[in-house]
Amino acid sequence: SYVLTQPPSVSVAPGKTARIACGGNNIGTKSVHWYQQRPGRAPVLVISYDSDRPSGIPGRFSGSNSGNTATLTISRVEAGDEADYYCQLWDSSSDHWVFGGGTKLTVL
Amino acid sequence: EVQLVESGGGLIQPGGSLRLSCAAPGLIVGTNYMSWVRRAPGKGLEWVAIIYSGGTTYYADSVKGRFTISRDNSKNTLYLQMNSLRVEDTAVYYCATVRPGSGSYLFDDWGQGTMVTVSS
Repeated sequence: SYVLTQPPSVSVAPGKTARIACGGNNIGTKSVHWYQQRPGRAPVLVISYDSDRPSGIPGRFSGSNSGNTATLTISRVEAGDEADYYCQLWDSSSDHWVFGGGTKLTVL
Repeated sequence: EVQLVESGGGLIQPGGSLRLSCAAPGLIVGTNYMSWVRRAPGKGLEWVAIIYSGGTTYYADSVKGRFTISRDNSKNTLYLQMNSLRVEDTAVYYCATVRPGSGSYLFDDWGQGTMVTVSS
C-alpha cells in the first residue's frame, strides 16, 4: 500500500518560515491534503488539493506538490502554530485513505 | 458548522466488543460520506473505515474482518462495531465527514473523539 513519509519533528523560531515535507512515490501526481492537530483537539484541515486554503485558515499557510515531495509551508510562524501536522491522500489503487506519520512543529 | 458527537468509548478487555456512535445534528448522515479515524497514544492518525452515501464500505487492513461501519438513517447516527479487540486498537476514535472531489477525498469536519482502551 501507498506510504507517506514525514519528518518526526521540525523546529522554527517565531517569525520564521517552517517547511514540512511529505514524501511519496510520484506524489506529485496525486492530490495531497494537510491537517493540523493541536494537543487534545480534533484535527483541522489547513490545506486541500495540494495548495487550496479552506475558509478561515490564515494566508500564512500554503502548500505545494511536485515529484516525490509535497510541502506545507507556514510563514511568519506564531506560537499558536505549535501542533502536529499530517499529510493525507486517497490511494485509488487500494481504496485506502493514507496519512503520513505526522510532524511535530515546535516553535522555539 | 457541522457538529459531530462521538460516544461509546471506554475500557474493554482484549477479545471484547464495543460499539461507537457518532451523532450528527445539522447534517444528514445518509447522504454524506462518513469515516472513522483513530489516533493511538504516541502515534499518528490512522484511517479506520469509510461508508459512502450509497452504502459502499472500505476498511483499513488492520481492522478488516473485525470492525464494521454502519449507519442508522432514522437516528441520523454513524456507528463503528468493534469486535475481537486488541491492545493495539487502543486509541482516540474520531468521526469525520468525507468530502469527495476531483480524484481525491478529504476529511472535512471532525468530532472531538472518544477514547477506547483495550487492556486486561
